[in-house]
Amino acid sequence: AQSVTQLDSQVPVFEEAPVELRCNYSSSVSVYLFWYVQYPNQGLQLLLKYLSGSTLVESINGFEAEFNKSQTSFHLRKPSVHISDTAEYFCAVNYGGSQGNLIFGKGTKLSVKP
Amino acid sequence: GAGVSQSPSNKVTEKGKDVELRCDPISGHTALYWYRQRLGQGLEFLIYFQGNSAPDKSGLPSDRFSAERTGESVSTLTIQRTQQEDSAVYLCASSPGQVLHGYTFGSGTRLTVV
Repeated sequence: AQSVTQLDSQVPVFEEAPVELRCNYSSSVSVYLFWYVQYPNQGLQLLLKYLSGSTLVESINGFEAEFNKSQTSFHLRKPSVHISDTAEYFCAVNYGGSQGNLIFGKGTKLSVKP
Repeated sequence: GAGVSQSPSNKVTEKGKDVELRCDPISGHTALYWYRQRLGQGLEFLIYFQGNSAPDKSGLPSDRFSAERTGESVSTLTIQRTQQEDSAVYLCASSPGQVLHGYTFGSGTRLTVV
């Protein structure tokens, strides 16, 4: 069955530390990969996406994710986090083409402490 | 409109009553999606519209749930004979025809069944 796995439900880190939020998906010939972020009391926002081309994609606020086909992973990283990065992060995958829905992981709550 | 609008933002209803949730997508977005987010859980796909047809209804949890869309605009999600397990945030998203663009989410309707 098509699925998305986010192994860590909660990740606490100190400010300015690096962080990696893990995402694995079911193997498939063609996938499109997304990370969404939900800040406290706000709606979901698209953070970054991988469609094709360079396997490393970046967001405007310093996050990056790397598509690894052999590992079926799309982990999200940031070298130095800020308090304002505290949010819940969702990995999402579209299997099988440009139409249709996204399948979301259960989310990872990133808590950045001073 | 400028964003995806959902109404009401909050709804408290008695068990057994019917509820209707509304979603106004971004103007020109042909694709519309409904998801459910239960407390502490990830996003659960419910239904997807392309125009006013629903190619994928696979996520509707039971025959108490139904949805319709008028043209390429407003969609309503109806839950009949609500149960306590229906309590969740119901999220609507739209995209300009292809999931490659990513979704734009509304702020959701928080449904509480008492």
